[in-house]
Amino acid sequence: AQTVTQSQPEMSVQEAETVTLSCTYDTSESDYYLFWYKQPPSRQMILVIRQEAYKQQNATENRFSVNFQKAAKSFSLKISDSQLGDAAMYFCAYSKYNQGGKLIFGQGTELSVKP
Amino acid sequence: DAGITQSPRHKVTETGTPVTLRCHQTENHRYMYWYRQDPGHGLRLIHYSYGVKDTDKGEVSDGYSVSRSKTEDFLLTLESATSSQTSVYFCAISDSRATSEQYFGPGTRLTVT
Repeated sequence: AQTVTQSQPEMSVQEAETVTLSCTYDTSESDYYLFWYKQPPSRQMILVIRQEAYKQQNATENRFSVNFQKAAKSFSLKISDSQLGDAAMYFCAYSKYNQGGKLIFGQGTELSVKP
Repeated sequence: DAGITQSPRHKVTETGTPVTLRCHQTENHRYMYWYRQDPGHGLRLIHYSYGVKDTDKGEVSDGYSVSRSKTEDFLLTLESATSSQTSVYFCAISDSRATSEQYFGPGTRLTVT
């Protein structure tokens, strides 16, 4: 069975600095998707970034980028120039390709941003 | 933002009572999902639907049933609520089986006393 692990329950970053959130996963599949979702205090789940496993190039969305290491089964999220609005719970998620979108989530990392 | 609403947004109920949560979408997406969120567990899939009247079980389906009679509505029912079902429930939608990109509703906080 596939699993997703986020080993950092809490992280903290100074405003304008860079922070990296870690995620590892376990799967025997070769085709799959990985996601990072953000959940601010409003509780709304917001898709931050998506990575297709067949793509070697790391995904980037503005200040958010990932470091995808397929062989190591590692998928970290880097937030550059951190802003107060980045404070939230971040979830890493996995989905097997073409499996009807069943997401498997990690436990989450709570990120605080200090002014 | 994707047009997804959940009702009710908050509910307190007693053990043993039936509860139905509703997810409504205006995006005409084929796939719909119910997750629950508990501290230390992230989100876990309860049930999902890949079309009208087509549903299947997820990771934590015991004690829950679902129905989808229209594309836009996906109902989650707790036949006899228990305290272990106190949680935040999220509905999600997707228009792609392949890419798994999902958009979430605002969540329903359910408390079973």
